[in-house]
Formats: sequence, structure tokens, C-alpha cells
Amino acid sequence: DAMVIQNPRYQVTQFGKPVTLSCSQTLNHNVMYWYQQKSSQAPKLLFHYYDKDFNNEADTPDNFQSRRPNTSFCFLDIRSPGLGDAAMYLCATSRDLGGASLNEQFFGPGTRLTVL
Amino acid sequence: TQLLEQSPQFLSIQEGENLTVYCNSSSVFSSLQWYRQEPGEGPVLLVTVVTGGEVKKLKRLTFQFGDARKDSSLHITAAQPGDTGLYLCAGEGTYKYIFGTGTRLKVLA
Repeated sequence: DAMVIQNPRYQVTQFGKPVTLSCSQTLNHNVMYWYQQKSSQAPKLLFHYYDKDFNNEADTPDNFQSRRPNTSFCFLDIRSPGLGDAAMYLCATSRDLGGASLNEQFFGPGTRLTVL
Repeated sequence: TQLLEQSPQFLSIQEGENLTVYCNSSSVFSSLQWYRQEPGEGPVLLVTVVTGGEVKKLKRLTFQFGDARKDSSLHITAAQPGDTGLYLCAGEGTYKYIFGTGTRLKVLA
């Protein structure tokens, strides 16, 4: 089945130790998103890629970076994790953007990050 | 700034009861999606509504998109414990999706 895959499902890191979360998709979608979700809150968009074009949200800290080496893979790098960065990180994809056609967003299962 | 407000924020009901969740905005969206999310998992897409006034049914769930495409509702008939979860609406904006504030539903057996 076509899907959005996130690895690992659970990640533990130490305060200040860089960590990378990965996402892959078999949907061949143009857009890939990274969201941060804290307990019982709505997902908060960090950034998205439209193909190779990177779009950062204005309030995303510099500590968060992303890479998309090809259509299928996208990575979230947290350079120096703080205790406040402990959260569920969700990857999502959509075929396109802009409302010109139906663009449903599909989510992966998420990676729960713990910072010690 | 596009915002989506969901109400209620929390809802705890008995099995067999009916409920409605609302998703409201002052902005127009080209489409709106509803998701259910269980603890420790990513949101799962339930339905997408596109046309103003559109009604879609998914078993005991009925979704409606407002005529002006600014609001939506989710009605659950005869709720079951398996319906427990976080319900999220998300509107498709020009360059990104806008998520609602979420409704946490608990259905007691």
C-alpha cells in the first residue's frame, strides 16, 4: 500500500545532542510537511517542501532544519534539542498545493521524541 | 491570518449518545478535511469536503461543509467507545493547511 513512513517511532536523545528524524513516502507526492505536536494540541507546521523548494514558517526556531534529498525522503534535523522540543513529530504529504485541485494531506504515524 | 476554531474542546459522553463537533472560521477554504487521531499515532483522514453545502456520510459519521465554505460540522450518531480520540479539522489554505484547535472526545462504555 502507498503510505507515509516515519522512522523511528520513538527517539530518545540527550539535551543538546543533535537528532535526525526521517520520513519516506510511496505516494509520489510533490509536497512534504513536518509538524510538531505537543500533548492534546493541534499539529503545528514547522516547514514544508514543494518539490525542492523549502518553505519555513516564520515562527519555526533556527534549531530546526530539514533536508529533502529526493521526492521520497525528507529529514528533520534538530541541531541542539532542548527539553521544550520533546513532542510528537509528524510528517505529511500532499499531491499539490494551492487549491487548484483536491489536495488531501496524508500523515505518517509520527515519531515521539524524548529529550533527557 | 486564517484561523479555525473547534468546539467543544472536550466532550465526554456515554455510549449510544449523539454528538456534534463544530469547526468555524471567518476565512473561506477550498476544501476541508476531518481527521481522527488516537494517542501515539498520526492523524487519520476521515473525509474531505469540497463543495459548499456538501454532506458526506461515513457509517455513523456525517460531515457537512457550510454553504460559504467557512465552517463545517461532524455529527456522530450512537457514539461507541471506538470513536474516542482527538478530532481535527484542517482547511486547505493557499499555501498550507490550517488546523483547527481540536476536539478531544471520550466515549464511555
